[in-house]
Amino acid sequence: QVQLVQSGAEVKKPGASVKVSCKASGYNFTNYAIHWVRQAPGQRLEWMGWINGDKPITRYSQSFQGRVTITKDTSATIVHMELISLTSEDTAVYYCAREGYLSGLLFDSWGQGTLVTVSS
Amino acid sequence: QSVLTQPPSASGTPGQRVTISCSASGSTIGNNFVYWYQHLPGTVPKLLIYRSHQRPSGVPDRFSGSKSGTSASLAISGLRSEDEGVYYCATWDDTLSVVFGGGTKLTVL
Repeated sequence: QVQLVQSGAEVKKPGASVKVSCKASGYNFTNYAIHWVRQAPGQRLEWMGWINGDKPITRYSQSFQGRVTITKDTSATIVHMELISLTSEDTAVYYCAREGYLSGLLFDSWGQGTLVTVSS
Repeated sequence: QSVLTQPPSASGTPGQRVTISCSASGSTIGNNFVYWYQHLPGTVPKLLIYRSHQRPSGVPDRFSGSKSGTSASLAISGLRSEDEGVYYCATWDDTLSVVFGGGTKLTVL
């Protein structure tokens, strides 16, 4: 079955960076883009960016431009999201989710979420 | 940046029909599909509606979506206690970015 399995919780100090991974399995990796969405405590879902499944194309939210980088290892079917210059406002649960080009399904499968805590 | 506005809360009694609205500033919804997600406590978000009115496999037909102009709606009929949670609309904007609404907390009285 389709699975997106994310790396474990992280605790970082302000100014540091964090890299969260998302291992995909159970489907054709190149037919789907992977997006990253986060949710800070008590806040809405916030879209961060996406990476194309079969081409090295990325798109980032203007809110994170310059701070977020999404990369992938197609052979390993893993997508990474790195966020730099962390502040306490980056404390959130980070999710990866897939988008199907052919099906039109946006975020039909999600990772379990990774809690990133930024604290001095 | 495009903004999607949802009411912060909605409520209903078991068996009732409730509707949650999602309105857009600008032409985002008018030009693009709308998606709806259910986020229950302690779980990951779940896709309820895609392409504005289609249901993924496994989503009950109690959930329906519609779109008109720059607004969209999610209707839930036969309300159940397990429907209690937060509902988000989302769409693409003209920069190929995804925009989420602020979320509507649904309470089943």
